[in-house]
Amino acid sequence: DTAVSQTPKYLVTQMGNDKSIKCEQNLGHDTMYWYKQDSKKFLKIMFSYNNKELIINETVPNRFSPKSPDKAHLNLHINSLELGDSAVYFCASSQDRGDYYGYTFGSGTRLTVV
Amino acid sequence: GESVGLHLPTLSVQEGDNSIINCAYSNSASDYFIWYKQESGKGPQFIIDIRSNMDKRQGQRVTVLLNKTVKHLSLQIAATQPGDSAVYFCAERAAGNKLTFGGGTRVLVKP
Repeated sequence: DTAVSQTPKYLVTQMGNDKSIKCEQNLGHDTMYWYKQDSKKFLKIMFSYNNKELIINETVPNRFSPKSPDKAHLNLHINSLELGDSAVYFCASSQDRGDYYGYTFGSGTRLTVV
Repeated sequence: GESVGLHLPTLSVQEGDNSIINCAYSNSASDYFIWYKQESGKGPQFIIDIRSNMDKRQGQRVTVLLNKTVKHLSLQIAATQPGDSAVYFCAERAAGNKLTFGGGTRVLVKP
């Protein structure tokens, strides 16, 4: 059973298009995240949702809009895609147990904008 | 601003040798640190964690050392194996359970 699953795994699209990436976790975690990993492997947080409520919204263009229909799902919609949006996007989830604060990551969505 | 870690350097290690990966952090208020391993085409996977009230923690073939005085974290891998080839990230926990990641270190294991 995949704990955090993202779809699609690969996404190639043209500049100006609108696309969505979906994420689902079956761990029962309360918090979900989107991270962006650039070509130099740097991981930067974009958004965080706790029980469907937005709690972290880093400096991200308005073209990026997360949506959490329930606490097991966190989707990422991107409008008017630009070349600089090309990256690997990781979804993650976590549950604050008081002794462990780590995240479980999905396998990533490689977005290529041409 | 606050930052963790280094930009992506590469560590080449002979199979069977020990590896040491270093990480510098700048947020003295961080209370929890994690090391992640990322293999090609996969997401980061948890290796080991340590709380700020500890200075050493051991796992299976891995040891994390924390030096709060100089804000330094290290990961030691004993008897490095080909399967250890990956990019390794340190991360620190800030307010709101936000993990801030360092720039990563690529480990290449030579047979």
